[in-house]
Amino acid sequence: GAVVSQHPSWVICKSGTSVKIECRSLDFQATTMFWYRQFPKQSLMLMATSNEGSKATYEQGVEKDKFLINHASLTLSTLTVTSAHPEDSSFYICSARQGAAEAFFGQGTRLTVV
Amino acid sequence: GIQVEQSPPDLILQEGANSTLRCNFSDSVNNLQWFHQNPWGQLINLFYIPSGTKQNGRLSATTVATERYSLLYISSSQTTDSGVYFCAVSDVSGTYKYIFGTGTRLKVLA
Repeated sequence: GAVVSQHPSWVICKSGTSVKIECRSLDFQATTMFWYRQFPKQSLMLMATSNEGSKATYEQGVEKDKFLINHASLTLSTLTVTSAHPEDSSFYICSARQGAAEAFFGQGTRLTVV
Repeated sequence: GIQVEQSPPDLILQEGANSTLRCNFSDSVNNLQWFHQNPWGQLINLFYIPSGTKQNGRLSATTVATERYSLLYISSSQTTDSGVYFCAVSDVSGTYKYIFGTGTRLKVLA
């Protein structure tokens, strides 16, 4: 299957700083990328959908000023957690799709804010 | 929005046993996938199955879109099958976003 690479795999940051997470589709052009958040022993919750060159669409309840999403090319999307606080600690996972084709997921990023 | 429920929520099996995991969804869908989440959090694609039946080794899946459910069958389970199984669906709105089910946590005992 196709490969989606997410970096970093884990990150620890101080409260008040910002963290950027990258998601790359390595062998296909992703018309749409998605960002999910997962708390321990829970399902994945969709945060936002991004299409190349346009603004991301955020799900209800997700703060767009805290979770900045940029989809600069058909192979790269970034999620920046701004002014991170301990409650932002979570597992973040990206996904990439080419139209209605099968979706592929990155390895995930475990964020810990101290 | 669309609701996706999976059952059972937890399942413990002896190695070699068979099992059926169910995914019910509340509205029409045009895409459905099954995933296995390993202990490190990586989602492994199992099936892309908006309708019909597919098989891959000891795993098979069936989706009956008109009745709004999908089934994942695991035969001759192995300890490496342990983990969490998710189904995810996208509705007919054309956004292609996946909504994940509640998950089934499977533990296979040696």
